[in-house]
Amino acid sequence: DTGVSQDPRHKITKRGQNVTFRCDPISEHNRLYWYRQTLGQGPEFLTYFQNEAQLEKSRLLSDRFSAERPKGSFSTLEIQRTEQGDSAMYLCASSSIWTGNTEAFFGQGTRLTVV
Amino acid sequence: TQLLEQSPQFLSIQEGENLTVYCNSSSVFSSLQWYRQEPGEGPVLLVTVVTGGEVKKLKRLTFQFGDARKDSSLHITAAQTGDTGLYLCAGRVQSGGSYIPTFGRGTSLIVHP
Repeated sequence: DTGVSQDPRHKITKRGQNVTFRCDPISEHNRLYWYRQTLGQGPEFLTYFQNEAQLEKSRLLSDRFSAERPKGSFSTLEIQRTEQGDSAMYLCASSSIWTGNTEAFFGQGTRLTVV
Repeated sequence: TQLLEQSPQFLSIQEGENLTVYCNSSSVFSSLQWYRQEPGEGPVLLVTVVTGGEVKKLKRLTFQFGDARKDSSLHITAAQTGDTGLYLCAGRVQSGGSYIPTFGRGTSLIVHP
């Protein structure tokens, strides 16, 4: 078990460009979460998947954001037409039904900077 | 308004000192989790507390869950520079038809040598 893996670790992009991040959860975990974290804040929930189904989306998730988990394994988070306000750490986490999905295990995050 | 209020927001102490940080809510939680996050990294799970009044120890860290399961505290004895980081508490909060791990804003701890 290698833990939750996120790629890339850092991304610098120009305003208006599209970016895509990838998350590989712990293999037997059925739930996968995306969070966004800015300086001085705790992680803020964006969306989550149970297996391949996207079950919940936060109001923080504008139309420019889309997430997929096509085979119930890895997930991607795409941001279209990036804005400077999108600059943040994007965190992925996964959890297991065997612990009642109470404990989320995080990847190292993707730091996005929009210039 | 934050569902989980953490205090203090910032703490700067010398190595060897003791400290306590708090996580409070007006809601009842079936469990609470504590995480530590270092700069540029994702949060790492430290402990889950489940039973009201429960005390769990992890080396120099002592975690307590309030009797009413609305609050929790983390006490660090003889802090070391390696304890520096952001301490986050989290609990599952209902969002739509699901329960989502939801975080407080954290306590940023700096331990000076």
